[in-house]
Amino acid sequence: KNEVEQSPQNLTAQEGEFITINCSYSVGISALHWLQQHPGGGIVSLFMLSSGKKKHGRLIATINIQEKHSSLHITASHPRDSAVYICAVRRNGNQFYFGTGTSLTVIP
Amino acid sequence: EAQVTQNPRYLITVTGKKLTVTCSQNMNHEYMSWYRQDPGLGLRQIYYSMNVEVTDKGDVPEGYKVSRKEKRNFPLILESPSPNQTSLYFCASRLSGAGETQYFGPGTRLLVL
Repeated sequence: KNEVEQSPQNLTAQEGEFITINCSYSVGISALHWLQQHPGGGIVSLFMLSSGKKKHGRLIATINIQEKHSSLHITASHPRDSAVYICAVRRNGNQFYFGTGTSLTVIP
Repeated sequence: EAQVTQNPRYLITVTGKKLTVTCSQNMNHEYMSWYRQDPGLGLRQIYYSMNVEVTDKGDVPEGYKVSRKEKRNFPLILESPSPNQTSLYFCASRLSGAGETQYFGPGTRLLVL
């Protein structure tokens, strides 16, 4: 069983829609990261969370430590948001475990 | 420009032929790490290093070696590659603080025949 579960695996949205990607984890963590992987393969870190909520532009990430759950929201989605979004948890200070990713396609 | 570089970007090799994938960062980061990415399994951590001469195993270290002789470099060594090590490999680095962002290299696509 994977320590990090993401849903949905695949998501197709119309441009302008509000998108939510969920991440649940089963282990104690020191931080949770959201990553974006572009079709060419490059990986960019979007957020690092240890509590509460963070916002960057149209992206919002939240975490509920007690429920072991995090969500990534994209408001007013755009075709350039099409990518794979990956949830990662940091344990024991330095070890990372990853979800298998959510593939998002935003249609114009 | 602050970056993590990996070489080579693409490599085709044969079973048993030793190879090294280099990773270098110019941000003076203490922490460096290697990951592999496979379809359906996602990213998995191979090895990480907290600083020079300090390395530790990640989730899937079997068949790999690393060294950290200099702060900027963290090579990944496959002494005897096997087909199950065919994968997309990423190197990453960050400062050692708890709230620090991880920066990823562009990836190395390895095919072992």
